[in-house]
This record gives sequence, C-alpha cells and structure tokens, in this order.
Amino acid sequence: QMQLVESGGGVVQPGRSLRLSCAASGFTFISYGMHWVRQAPGKGLEWVALISYDGRNIYYADSVKGRFTISRDNPRDTLYLQMNSLRAEDTAVYYCVRSGGSGSSTNWFDPWGQGILVTVSS
Amino acid sequence: DIQMTQSPSSLSASVGDRVTITCRASQGVSSWLAWYQQKPEKAPKSLIYAASRLQNGVPSRFSGSGSGTDFTLTISSLQPEDFGTYYCQQYNSYPLTFGGGTKVEIK
Repeated sequence: QMQLVESGGGVVQPGRSLRLSCAASGFTFISYGMHWVRQAPGKGLEWVALISYDGRNIYYADSVKGRFTISRDNPRDTLYLQMNSLRAEDTAVYYCVRSGGSGSSTNWFDPWGQGILVTVSS
Repeated sequence: DIQMTQSPSSLSASVGDRVTITCRASQGVSSWLAWYQQKPEKAPKSLIYAASRLQNGVPSRFSGSGSGTDFTLTISSLQPEDFGTYYCQQYNSYPLTFGGGTKVEIK
C-alpha cells in the first residue's frame, strides 16, 4: 500500500526556518517525481514545488521561489522541503504528493500524504 | 500562469441527482486536467486524470470530459458519501494550478 508520511511541522516565528520531511513507502520512490502542495486554513490548494525522479529538474511556485528548497534522498525514500524566511502567509497544511505517473505529462497528484500543519506566528 | 475557474463555487443536491461541475482554463491545457475530491479535515483524493481517465478504485458514477479550455466533472447519481469540495488542476505547464473549488452538499 502506497504511503506518504510528513513530519517536521509546527509553530515557527516569522523569518525563521523549518524543514519538512516525507517518508515514502509502498512504491518505487526513485521512479516518480514528487511535489509539495499546501492549503492555507479555509482556503484552496496551492502547488508549491516539484522535484523530478532523479532530482535534476526542480520547479517552484513564484510565492516560494528563493525561500524554499525541495530535495530528495532516493536511497532513503525521503522527500524534503527546506523553508527559510518564513512569512505569516506560509501558514498552511503542507501535503507531500507523488506524481500520478512515472512518464512525461504525469504531474497530477496521487497519492497524497495526510498533511502537516506549519504555523508562522510570533 | 494558467488560471483555472470553477463553477459553481457551491451546490446543494439530493441523493440520486446528476451533478455537473465545470472548470475553465485561461488558456488551452490540452487534456492535462485532473479532478480531486476533498472531505473536511482530510487530504484530497484523486478522481480523474487526463481529463477523462478514472483513477483506480473511483466509482464509475464519476466521469470527466473536455479538452482545451473547458472541462466537466459529472456525478451521474449523487450518493451521500460524495459530499466535499472538488478541485480541478491543470498540469500542462508550470506553475501547476488549481481551480478555486466547488463545495458539494447533500440536501
């Protein structure tokens, strides 16, 4: 059974940093692109970042570019999101998500992790 | 960026009703369009990808259609467990973008 489990969330002051982790299991991690998607309280879904299966191709939403870094450790089946210079508007549930397929044009999202809350507040 | 606009933003329907949700892209996305269902306090769940392909395990009462800029998600016979918020998402180009969501309530 495919599973994605996020960790590392919590409350952090504005301007500080936090690193999220996502442990993957139940599928061949190295074969898939991986994403972070977030959802602010009471709001819709916002794609944050994508890393290709081999880590060579990375894309970010403009709202996080230059502040967040997505990375992966394929031998450990783990995805990361390093979040620096955090702002109040980064407060959200962050979901670790797999690309739906392993080829080209496969950037739909399945499966999803359970999500982890990041709160940026003084 | 490609803007995705869903309508309606909310709807209330009875069990057994046929429900249609539309999603319009600000520019063409070919068939690179997915639909998700999210229940309160839960992670979204994939329903449809490539505009019309049903994700494994999703009931056949769900269907998707469209290409280019106009897409539709249809629930042929609404069931009590179909409440929640539905989102469309384009994956034709970066940044990947979602519609604003359609909240479905059961009368």
